[in-house]
Amino acid sequence: GAVVSQHPSWVICKSGTSVKIECRSLDFQATTMFWYRQFPKQSLMLMATSNEGSKATYEQGVEKDKFLINHASLTLSTLTVTSAHPEDSSFYICSAIEGRMNTEAFFGQGTRLTVV
Amino acid sequence: RKEVEQDPGPFNVPEGATVAFNCTYSNSASQSFFWYRQDCRKEPKLLMSVYSSGNEDGRFTAQLNRASQYISLLIRDSKLSDSATYLCVVNRNYQLIWGAGTKLIIKP
Repeated sequence: GAVVSQHPSWVICKSGTSVKIECRSLDFQATTMFWYRQFPKQSLMLMATSNEGSKATYEQGVEKDKFLINHASLTLSTLTVTSAHPEDSSFYICSAIEGRMNTEAFFGQGTRLTVV
Repeated sequence: RKEVEQDPGPFNVPEGATVAFNCTYSNSASQSFFWYRQDCRKEPKLLMSVYSSGNEDGRFTAQLNRASQYISLLIRDSKLSDSATYLCVVNRNYQLIWGAGTKLIIKP
């Protein structure tokens, strides 16, 4: 099946710094990528949807200036957590779809972010 | 009301039993449907797509009822390894709408 590579798989950073997470589709062109956040024992929460070459659409309550999403090519999307704080510590997962109807979503391995 | 709703569980089921759970969706324009499985601290993985005619994959059977707007997942002869959270996903105009998941715990 299709592969989505996400890295880093885990990162520890100091409060106030920025962290960039990359999500790459390795063998297909991802017209749409999704970024999720998942807190312990909770479900996936969609943060934003990004289409290649256009601005991301953020879900209500997600600060677009804090969570910068760039989808510059059909195989790469990045999420930058700016000025991270301990409450941003979470599991961040990207997924991508190829753009055809009835296609499944392929997930990256997730990034566990810990802000200290 | 959420667009995709699932009973969060947990469902505590003895090994070998049959368990079923449903997922309801509110938008009739929904086009395709999936069940994903998520293990603790891991990314979701596709379990199976759900087709209008219903489909089976080993011990797993998925069904779609468009009239009543729900999909179901049936697991027969449950194994300890089936313990996970099962996520219902609806694709509507290339937007994926996720249920909150149903937690399943299989007990020996």
